[in-house]
Formats: sequence, C-alpha cells, structure tokens
Amino acid sequence: ILNVEQSPQSLHVQEGDSTNFTCSFPSSNFYALHWYRWETAKSPEALFVMTLNGDEKKKGRISATLNTKEGYSYLYIKGSQPEDSATYLCAFTDSGSARQLTFGSGTQLTVLP
Amino acid sequence: GAGVSQSPSNKVTEKGKDVELRCDPISGHTALYWYRQRLGQGLEFLIYFQGNSAPDKSGLPSDRFSAERTGESVSTLTIQRTQQEDSAVYLCASSLVGREGLHQETQYFGPGTRLLVL
Repeated sequence: ILNVEQSPQSLHVQEGDSTNFTCSFPSSNFYALHWYRWETAKSPEALFVMTLNGDEKKKGRISATLNTKEGYSYLYIKGSQPEDSATYLCAFTDSGSARQLTFGSGTQLTVLP
Repeated sequence: GAGVSQSPSNKVTEKGKDVELRCDPISGHTALYWYRQRLGQGLEFLIYFQGNSAPDKSGLPSDRFSAERTGESVSTLTIQRTQQEDSAVYLCASSLVGREGLHQETQYFGPGTRLLVL
C-alpha cells in the first residue's frame, strides 16, 4: 500500500503572505509526483508533474520542488491571494503501476482578505 | 478545447437502486481513469482503461461496481444495488500515453458526479 502524506491538513493565511505545504511519498520505485489544485464544485486543476530528483517547477506565484531520494515535495505560494483558496493535492505514481495516481488527503488553504 | 465532461453532475438515489455515471474524455486521450472521494477521505483509484487493453479493475471496491469504455471514447461507471457507503464524488480523468506506454503525462479531471445514496 502506497502512503502519501500531506501537511498541514488545513491552513489559514492573510492576503499577501507566502506559504508552503509538504507532500511525503515512498522514496522507492518513484515514477512521478503530481500537484493539483481543487476548488469546490470545480475540476481538479493540474499544476505540476515532476519526475526528476531536484526538479523545480514554477507557474506564476506557485512553485514546487522535488526530492525523490528522501521522498518529499514542497509547494510554495508567494504573496497569497484570496483566489488561491482551494485544496492542494499531491499524487504519486510508482514505477510498478505508473498508471493510477495515489493521492494524499490534501491541504486546504484559505486566504483571508 | 473541450475538457473532460461528466454527467450527471449530481445524483440522489435510494439504497438498492442502480446508477450509471458517464464520462466523456478529452478527444485523443487513450487513457481513462475513474476515482472517487468519500466524505472525509482522499481520492481513491477505481479503474483504468488504456486503448484496447483489458482494463485495470484493481481499485473497484466490490462486484457491484463495473465500468465500460467504447474504444477511446465515452466511459460509463455502473453501481448496482447502491449502498449508503457508495455516496461520494466520482471523478473521471483522461490522459495521453506517451511513447513506450509511459504514463507520466498529466491526468485531466472532469468536474465529477456527486452521488448521494439515501
């Protein structure tokens, strides 16, 4: 059974604050790590797919890093805005299956104006 | 372009009834997945289709669950004799499969069907 853990479970920040979340995953048989943003009543939106140790990806004010040797990824949001409020999910695929995503339980972010 | 669509968006049914959920993947995507999220739990994998290969049904929770896909198009997920624990958001996703069958491509999700079994 693959175990993907995310922390914190929820987070409230003030508009303009920068924040970060953690995703930990099995370090053996790594294949890819995905980050998604999921707003209520909408489709989960893909943010990043990362495959290489040391990968860093950026999309606007959001960036992510990957450490496959120790099994963790960080997601950073710089200068949070109310529209960033959502649940941020990470998901892991291992080299055995390389098909379905195994999700963490998510970090629910609320940005207060 | 058009994304993944699902119908119905919401479904309320009585315990013991059968339900059918539909997914229209992105055109040209050969891989299709079904996931669900029950209240207070994370997203869990149900079933995977890839082209004309036999589907991977390893995530289906019981034999009351089945799914079909016609070629590389529409998929339906059927739940027979629904139970209250089947209440969940059912999400469909599709993706391209790259060379050598590699699956690191992004999975694109539909908006989900919210199923409530009374």
